[in-house]
Amino acid sequence: GQNIDQPTEMTATEGAIVQINCTYQTSGFNGLFWYQQHAGEAPTFLSYNVLDGLEEKGRFSSFLSRSKGYSYLLLKELQMKDSASYLCAAMDSNYQLIWGAGTKLIIKP
Amino acid sequence: GAVVSQHPSWVICKSGTSVKIECRSLDFQATTMFWYRQFPKQSLMLMATSNEGSKATYEQGVEKDKFLINHASLTLSTLTVTSAHPEDSSFYICSAGGGRTTEAFFGQGTRLTVV
Repeated sequence: GQNIDQPTEMTATEGAIVQINCTYQTSGFNGLFWYQQHAGEAPTFLSYNVLDGLEEKGRFSSFLSRSKGYSYLLLKELQMKDSASYLCAAMDSNYQLIWGAGTKLIIKP
Repeated sequence: GAVVSQHPSWVICKSGTSVKIECRSLDFQATTMFWYRQFPKQSLMLMATSNEGSKATYEQGVEKDKFLINHASLTLSTLTVTSAHPEDSSFYICSAGGGRTTEAFFGQGTRLTVV
């Protein structure tokens, strides 16, 4: 079956760095997405990886290893506004997004 | 990025009534839109894929007669929750793209509360 695993909750300190991991198993693969979702709001797009390696975009970076079925989202210089849920989603061979349950990130001063 | 507008943002309705949620793509044509439901602290669950000019494709376990989807134009899809019950209370989100594009654009979501 298809499955996405990511930690339920993580806590980090303002100004620090945090890495949110995601492992996936899908029928075929057409890329890995990361979305940010604040409570009560719709998800907003952060990143897309389809090739192995690290994609850097400002304070956020995303990494993919297709052979390991593994991705991570790296957040640097954490700010209080980064407190949110981070959703990992893999696109299968039918171009359908398979969603993880999300990782709730709590930022402490 | 592209914009998807969803309306209303929140709605409270009585049990047994119907509620319509609209999803519009404002600056691009969307032949396919997706409807999701999200319960508290859970992931997005795909309910159905809305196809312009044809019938929607429902996921297993989703009642097509209860959740009516109409995608009459390239910029508008609607989800009607018929005979709503308290257990239908949830956060409903539509998206466009996420198919053969590299990004799914989400509407703002609709918080439905059935009392």
